[in-house]
Amino acid sequence: AQSVTQLDSQVPVFEEAPVELRCNYSSSVSVYLFWYVQYPNQGLQLLLKYLSGSTLVESINGFEAEFNKSQTSFHLRKPSVHISDTAEYFCAVSEDRGSTLGRLYFGRGTQLTVWP
Amino acid sequence: DTAVSQTPKYLVTQMGNDKSIKCEQNLGHDTMYWYKQDSKKFLKIMFSYNNKELIINETVPNRFSPKSPDKAHLNLHINSLELGDSAVYFCASSQFLGNTEAFFGQGTRLTVV
Repeated sequence: AQSVTQLDSQVPVFEEAPVELRCNYSSSVSVYLFWYVQYPNQGLQLLLKYLSGSTLVESINGFEAEFNKSQTSFHLRKPSVHISDTAEYFCAVSEDRGSTLGRLYFGRGTQLTVWP
Repeated sequence: DTAVSQTPKYLVTQMGNDKSIKCEQNLGHDTMYWYKQDSKKFLKIMFSYNNKELIINETVPNRFSPKSPDKAHLNLHINSLELGDSAVYFCASSQFLGNTEAFFGQGTRLTVV
């Protein structure tokens, strides 16, 4: 069965520190990978995605994630966080074929809290 | 312009009532979805429609009935509401079924009392 594991439910860091939010998945077929961010009382916004090509993908606000097929991981990193990065981050996977096509499987989220 | 819009944003209702949540997307996408986010923030798909055709129907109680009058709309009707239905319901759309990202609405927080 497809599953997404976010190993840390909460990650507190100080401003300007680096951060890594971990995501592992399991699937028997090729996958597409996403990171979504949810600010309080808001919907989900796509942060970045891996569909194909370069395994390192970047967002416009300094986040990056690397697809590692052998380790089935898609960890999210940022070298220097800001207070405004405080939010819930969700890793999601969809499969590129089969009966589950189009379905997003989400991890349980990681609450990133950035302290001044 | 809001890409995926849901109404209402908040919904408080009593057990046993019937309620609907409406969703509209102006992105010209073929595929729309309903996701449920529980109190622990876990997100799970409920339904998916592609060109008005039901594609995904998860193990959701049949009190939940989606309706897609056209490609741009996917409404969710819930009969005989129960306390356990309290959650945030998100509508989403994607360009087509498969390898593209989903755009989410702002969510509808349903509270059943």
